[in-house]
Amino acid sequence: GENVEQHPSTLSVQEGDSAVIKCTYSDSASNYFPWYKQELGKRPQLIIDIRSNVGEKKDQRIAVTLNKTAKHFSLHITETQPEDSAVYFCAAVYQAGTALIFGKGTTLSVSS
Amino acid sequence: NAGVTQTPKFRILKIGQSMTLQCTQDMNHNYMYWYRQDPGMGLKLIYYSVGAGITDKGEVPNGYNVSRSTTEDFPLRLELAAPSQTSVYFCASSGPQRGEQYFGPGTRLTVT
Repeated sequence: GENVEQHPSTLSVQEGDSAVIKCTYSDSASNYFPWYKQELGKRPQLIIDIRSNVGEKKDQRIAVTLNKTAKHFSLHITETQPEDSAVYFCAAVYQAGTALIFGKGTTLSVSS
Repeated sequence: NAGVTQTPKFRILKIGQSMTLQCTQDMNHNYMYWYRQDPGMGLKLIYYSVGAGITDKGEVPNGYNVSRSTTEDFPLRLELAAPSQTSVYFCASSGPQRGEQYFGPGTRLTVT
């Protein structure tokens, strides 16, 4: 069945460093790839997304890249800050665009 | 707009009991979803709905039922609660572009 693999499961960086989280997906029909941030005890919130007709998208310190041929996409956070510490989930749409399948998450810790 | 609201916030059930988790959205979204999130795991789709009167199974539907009689409400029913249903349950909705999903605050359920 459809699957989204996410790596690494944990990531520790120093404040100011960059962080990269990678995901691969199995459904070649997927055309929408969001990234969610979840702080402890809170709901997931969308931070950036990309559609399959675009290779890269940036929003201030956050960027997402997509390689449709290889079926993988990545989240890049530059100049990390302690408030970036959270769990990050990638996801891909499936079932004819009606639902999302999520990766297992990456716990990012940014130390100052 | 309140967005997506869920009740209750917390609940403890005994094995074999039943309950309904309530979810309401005021954004006039057609698409609504129920996820469960186990510790250290991503979100697993339980059921989803593409509009009033239409529901479909997700990845982990066993032990749950849903209904969608109105655009606003999408309750999740647990029959014969089991310890394996201990989890945090999130409801979400999305608009006509089937893009960003807006999550409710979650319901933390413990079955003992």
